[in-house]
Amino acid sequence: AQKVTQAQTEISVVEKEDVTLDCVYETRDTTYYLFWYKQPPSGELVFLIRRNSFDEQNEISGRYSWNFQKSTSSFNFTITASQVVDSAVYFCALSEVDLNMDTGRRALTFGSGTRLQVQP
Amino acid sequence: KAGVTQTPRYLIKTRGQQVTLSCSPISGHRSVSWYQQTPGQGLQFLFEYFSETQRNKGNFPGRFSGRQFSNSRSEMNVSTLELGDSALYLCASSLELAGGIETQYFGPGTRLLVL
Repeated sequence: AQKVTQAQTEISVVEKEDVTLDCVYETRDTTYYLFWYKQPPSGELVFLIRRNSFDEQNEISGRYSWNFQKSTSSFNFTITASQVVDSAVYFCALSEVDLNMDTGRRALTFGSGTRLQVQP
Repeated sequence: KAGVTQTPRYLIKTRGQQVTLSCSPISGHRSVSWYQQTPGQGLQFLFEYFSETQRNKGNFPGRFSGRQFSNSRSEMNVSTLELGDSALYLCASSLELAGGIETQYFGPGTRLLVL
């Protein structure tokens, strides 16, 4: 069965520090997708990035970067020069594609989340 | 383009009552999924609807049900409410054009409190 582990429950940093949020996943499938979502206090999950299992290229978007390593089943997220507005709970999620199933198993399996607090 | 909308945003019910939550997906999105978020269990998948059919279901009791209308809007219903049903219920929509995995975009959620 699929599983996502975010071992860091809470991280506190001071503004402008770099911070890395860890994500380790388990899956038996060769085709899967990984996601990161941000949940601010308002509650809505905001999509940040999606990566499929065949694309191990790292990605950078502004102050955000993602490191995908299939060899260690990890999909880590780094925020460079953190800001107070980055304070939120961040979730890593996995979605598998099972071509043998009619449903395709598109449901997201979420990690437990990492609460990031950026102090001014 | 407007995002996913959910109504109501907040709801207070008592044990034994039933509740219906509504979700309007992003225009053009045909798949709607529902998730429950609680401090103890985290984010858990409830079910997914596509073309008015339930395509996938999580591990929840039969008290939790849903449906999807021809305009892709979806409702979920919880009957005989229990205290443990207090949670944030999140709806997500996705395109699902080619039958693969599309990004799910979430609404603001409905906070349900059961007293």
